[in-house]
Order: sequence, then structure tokens, then C-alpha cells
Amino acid sequence: NAGVTQTPKFRVLKTGQSMTLLCAQDMNHEYMYWYRQDPGMGLRLIHYSVGEGTTAKGEVPDGYNVSRLKKQNFLLGLESAAPSQTSVYFCASSYLGQATETQYFGPGTRLLVL
Amino acid sequence: LAKTTQPISMDSYEGQEVNITCSHNNIATNDYITWYQQFPSQGPRFIIQGYKTKVTNEVASLFIPADRKSSTLSLPRVSLSDTAVYYCLVGGSSGSARQLTFGSGTQLTVLP
Repeated sequence: NAGVTQTPKFRVLKTGQSMTLLCAQDMNHEYMYWYRQDPGMGLRLIHYSVGEGTTAKGEVPDGYNVSRLKKQNFLLGLESAAPSQTSVYFCASSYLGQATETQYFGPGTRLLVL
Repeated sequence: LAKTTQPISMDSYEGQEVNITCSHNNIATNDYITWYQQFPSQGPRFIIQGYKTKVTNEVASLFIPADRKSSTLSLPRVSLSDTAVYYCLVGGSSGSARQLTFGSGTQLTVLP
């Protein structure tokens, strides 16, 4: 049982390039989330999904797109990377998405946009 | 969304009890209080959650006064491995987990 995994662990992009971050969970969770964490700050929600085929915007969605084609996977895309998107990206999942429920986080993806 | 306020940093020594207080003056009736721990280069990890009074598990205790406008995370006899950032979150039980807001957290440093 791997929990939540993220691919890749680290990536360097040039401004304007695109990439996709992959999140996978093997806990059969319905809810999945993408957060970003900037140095010295807490996590901010980018997008989330309440189930296969559905996505919704979080606090800071601009410049990102997401897809949830399979229940176990949640993809975060950057169509045209900008230096402001340099951050650590965390994926999380939970069973029902209730605030009373534990969110399980992945190890993070460090992204540097030059 | 209820905003939380925590100290930016705290220092402690091994073996001491550490109490981290979080203020959440505009907490809503159905909001729960949840604490997460984050080590460097890792994702946050759930520690404890409560609604009122006191909750205790194998790693921590959570004290919530009657007015629920604050809460205190208590870590008994900390060790060097408890050095981490601790986040206090307030959120409702009506499926609003997606609205959870992580503040800047409290950097706890345990000294030998």
C-alpha cells in the first residue's frame, strides 16, 4: 500500500514550457486535491476533485488545469509555465472529503521555472 | 472561512511538554479543529482533531475551551524528531474539506 505517490519528484522548466504532474493513490479515495506551497508559507489549494470525471477550482487555480480520468489518478497541468509557479506541489486524497476526515498527502514535487 | 492565528515559531528542549495555541475567533458552529504536522520535504501529516473539550491520542492532546475561539495542541515530552511545522486548521463538516486553509503554521524546534 503506497498511499499517495507523485511524479516527478523534481523538475526544472523554462518559462513558457508545459508539463503535467501526476498524482496516484491506492486507497480508493473519492476526493483528491492539488496544493502548492511557497517558501515559509502554508499550503494553498489549487484544484480538487470530488470523484472520477469531476474537478473544481480551489483558492489559486489560475495558470493550472486538472483532469481526473481515473479514480486513482489526478493530473495537474501547466500549459505555459511562469516563474511565479516555482513552488512545491502536494497532492492529497481523502475518502469522503469531509473536514473531519484525514487528508493523506504525497511527498511533493519541487518545480523550478526559470 | 475561519482564519487561524498561530505563533510563527517556538523552541523547546527534549523531554519538555510543548503547548501550541491557535486562535480562531470566527469559528463556525459546525467547524472542527484539526492539526497537521509537516517535516521538511514532506507532505503534512494528520495529528489530531477535535470539536470541543479535550481529545487525546497516542501522540498529542487537543484542548478546546467552551467558547471554541482558540485551541491548544499539547505534545508531551518532545524529542528531536518532533521538530517540524505544525498547522492549525478550522473547517466545517459539510463536505468543505476542500476549503481547508493552511496558515503559515508554527515552526517547532526541539533542542537537545
